[in-house]
Amino acid sequence: AQTVTQSQPEMSVQEAETVTLSCTYDTSENNYYLFWYKQPPSRQMILVIRQEAYKQQNATENRFSVNFQKAAKSFSLKISDSQLGDTAMYFCAFMKGNDKIIFGKGTRLHILP
Amino acid sequence: KAGVTQTPRYLIKTRGQQVTLSCSPISGHRSVSWYQQTPGQGLQFLFEYFSETQRNKGNFPGRFSGRQFSNSRSEMNVSTLELGDSALYLCASSPEGGPGGDTQYFGPGTRLTVL
Repeated sequence: AQTVTQSQPEMSVQEAETVTLSCTYDTSENNYYLFWYKQPPSRQMILVIRQEAYKQQNATENRFSVNFQKAAKSFSLKISDSQLGDTAMYFCAFMKGNDKIIFGKGTRLHILP
Repeated sequence: KAGVTQTPRYLIKTRGQQVTLSCSPISGHRSVSWYQQTPGQGLQFLFEYFSETQRNKGNFPGRFSGRQFSNSRSEMNVSTLELGDSALYLCASSPEGGPGGDTQYFGPGTRLTVL
């Protein structure tokens, strides 16, 4: 069975700094999808970024980028020039085809003014 | 396009009662998934519906059930509520949810409190 592990339950960084959130996963599959979702306090969960396992190039969305290491089964999220609005719970997630999506336990990120 | 909507947003029930939660997906989306979110267990998958059929199911007891209508709207039902059912229930929709690894779009959730 696939598992997703986020080893950092909580992190705090100063505004404008760069922060990296870690995620590792375990699977025997070769084709799958990885996601980072953001859940701000009392607000809706939204997709931050997604990565297809067959793509070697790391996905990037504005200030958000990933470091996808397929062999190491690692999928970290880097937030550059962090902003107060980035304060949220961040979930790493794994999905294989049309199977269910599996989430990590989450990392609570605080951006400090 | 309007996003995923869930009703009601908040519910308070007592043990032994049953509850029905509703989810309206983004227009054109055919796949609807349900999740339970608690501080201790995190996000756990309940089930997924596609074209009115349950396609995937998580490891929850039979007290948790769902259905999907022809317009893709979905409901989930929890019977004989227990204190441990208190949680945020999230619904997510995607266009097909198929092998292409569709991105899921989440609703705001229904906060269920069981007393």
